[in-house]
Parts: sequence; structure tokens; C-alpha cells
Amino acid sequence: GNSVTQMEGPVTLSEEAFLTINCTYTATGYPSLFWYVQYPGEGLQLLLKATKADDKGSNKGFEATYRKETTSFHLEKGSVQVSDSAVYFCALSHMDSNYQLIWGAGTKLIIKP
Amino acid sequence: NAGVTQTPKFQVLKTGQSMTLQCAQDMNHEYMSWYRQDPGMGLRLIHYSVGAGITDQGEVPNGYNVSRSTTEDFPLRLLSAAPSQTSVYFCASRLDRSNTGELFFGEGSRLTVL
Repeated sequence: GNSVTQMEGPVTLSEEAFLTINCTYTATGYPSLFWYVQYPGEGLQLLLKATKADDKGSNKGFEATYRKETTSFHLEKGSVQVSDSAVYFCALSHMDSNYQLIWGAGTKLIIKP
Repeated sequence: NAGVTQTPKFQVLKTGQSMTLQCAQDMNHEYMSWYRQDPGMGLRLIHYSVGAGITDQGEVPNGYNVSRSTTEDFPLRLLSAAPSQTSVYFCASRLDRSNTGELFFGEGSRLTVL
């Protein structure tokens, strides 16, 4: 079945460091891929998405490229800020799962000043 | 623009009690869903609806009941609360059941069952 695996956290970085959070998926065909972010005490919100292979999603300085050959959708940011501290979720949507989002377990990111 | 509104934000129940978590959206979304979030387990789908009068089970439906009498509202009922239902519950909606649509979340309801 479809699944999403993302790196375990917490990930702790200093301000202005480069961020990578790994996400790989298992699915047939071409699912849509998403990154959601959950700030402390809030609900999740969409950060970026990509709906076909080689698409790059971007928002708020974050980027992720849909790599079909490696079944990956890694999240990157060149220079993180304290305000980026949050939990990040990778997810996929596919017709085989009746378009329900399949979620990774989440990665907690802690940015120290 | 309210988006997705959940009430209550916090609730403490005793084992065996029943309660309803309310969810309302003002975006005319067809699709609505309920998730629970537990540490280390990500989000798990409880129930979902693709339109008024249509509901279906998700990954962890046992102990929960839903109905969708209007497009706007999607309440989640706990029939007889158990400590295993202690969790944070999120309601989420999107325009339709498409593959690419953004899911909009409420702020969550933290439930503790003693």
C-alpha cells in the first residue's frame, strides 16, 4: 500500500543553518506530494505541494522537488530562523487511497538562536 | 474569514461519558474529515465525508460516530469515552475529494479521558 517515511526528529539547528528534512514515499504511479507545517498550539497548514514528477514546490523560503526516480520529496531551506521551529509533515494523495492523505509521522524542528 | 472552527478547545471526560466535538467550515467545502494526533504516530483518519448525507470510515473509526446533515457542519461523537481516546483531535476540510486540493485544519481539540 501507499506510505510515507520521513526522518525522525527532533532536528536541532542553529539560526541561519541549512535545513534538509528527508521524505520518501511508496506508491504506484504519480501521487501528489505535500509538506504541511504545524506551529506550536495550532492546526496544520499547507507549506508547499507538487503534483507531478520534477515539479518544485516552494513557499516561505522552503523548497521541495518531486523526484520520481528516488521516490523522494525532501524539504530544504537555505537559512532557517527561530520562527521556523515547528513540526513538519510529509504527505501524499493518490487515487488508490481514495484521495485520502497518507501522512508521515512528522519531524520536529528546533531552531536555536 | 473563519475557515474551520472547532469547539471545545479543551475537554476532560470521565471514562464512559459521551460528548460531541463540533466542527464547522464556512468555505463551502464538500470534503470534511476528523483526525486524531498522538505523539509519534502522526495523524490518523477517523471518519470523513464527501458531502452532506455521505460519511465513511477512516483508519481508526471505532468508538466514534459522525453525521453530515449540512455542508457546513461535521460533528464527531464519542459514544462512551475510554482513556485510549485521550488525544488531540483535528477537523479538516477541502474543496472536494481531488488529488491536489489543500486541506484546511481547525486549531484542534485536546481531549483527556480519565
